[in-house]
Amino acid sequence: LAKTTQPISMDSYEGQEVNITCSHNNIATNDYITWYQQFPSQGPRFIIQGYKTKVTNEVASLFIPADRKSSTLSLPRVSLSDTAVYYCLVGDRARGSTLGRLYFGRGTQLTVWP
Amino acid sequence: EAGVAQSPRYKIIEKRQSVAFWCNPISGHATLYWYQQILGQGPKLLIQFQNNGVVDDSQLPKDRFSAERLKGVDSTLKIQPAKLEDSAVYLCASSPISGSTDTQYFGPGTRLTVL
Repeated sequence: LAKTTQPISMDSYEGQEVNITCSHNNIATNDYITWYQQFPSQGPRFIIQGYKTKVTNEVASLFIPADRKSSTLSLPRVSLSDTAVYYCLVGDRARGSTLGRLYFGRGTQLTVWP
Repeated sequence: EAGVAQSPRYKIIEKRQSVAFWCNPISGHATLYWYQQILGQGPKLLIQFQNNGVVDDSQLPKDRFSAERLKGVDSTLKIQPAKLEDSAVYLCASSPISGSTDTQYFGPGTRLTVL
């Protein structure tokens, strides 16, 4: 089971760039890295996904080094509404099948202050 | 596009009672997941359906938990009898197919309190 390690909490101020790093030393060749965001009393919501190098969408950027043993979620110019828990996940392909199980760790509680 | 629907949103029961949760996934999504999220932790997968067949229930406590997916669409998760440690949010999610790279769309969850 491919597990991940990320900081328990981070603090930032409005307008700053936030980088959350996740380590996944046992990532498998075919696994992708996915980040989800969860607000209180809501289910997680997909943010971004990548395999290697850099991926950017309208919400965030994802940086993945060549060895793929870690990844960094970058949130540009955060606002109060970005306060949430962020989960880094690596796809786990059970028993060689194409069916995968995602492992959610404890995530990173990001708090943005005014 | 309508999201994943769950009901009820909240449920309070006493230990040893039974409870059932209902989920309606996004139309056309073949895969449906039930997760348990205990306060302060990330979601833990309980069971995964592909259409109406179970593809992963290795983390489902089968002595008290059961789930079914009716005609490959709606799903119900049941706990009988409930224990105090079952207090958690039960999340339902769906995705178009079943690879671990697929985006999962989550419902709002059902918060269960067992007294």
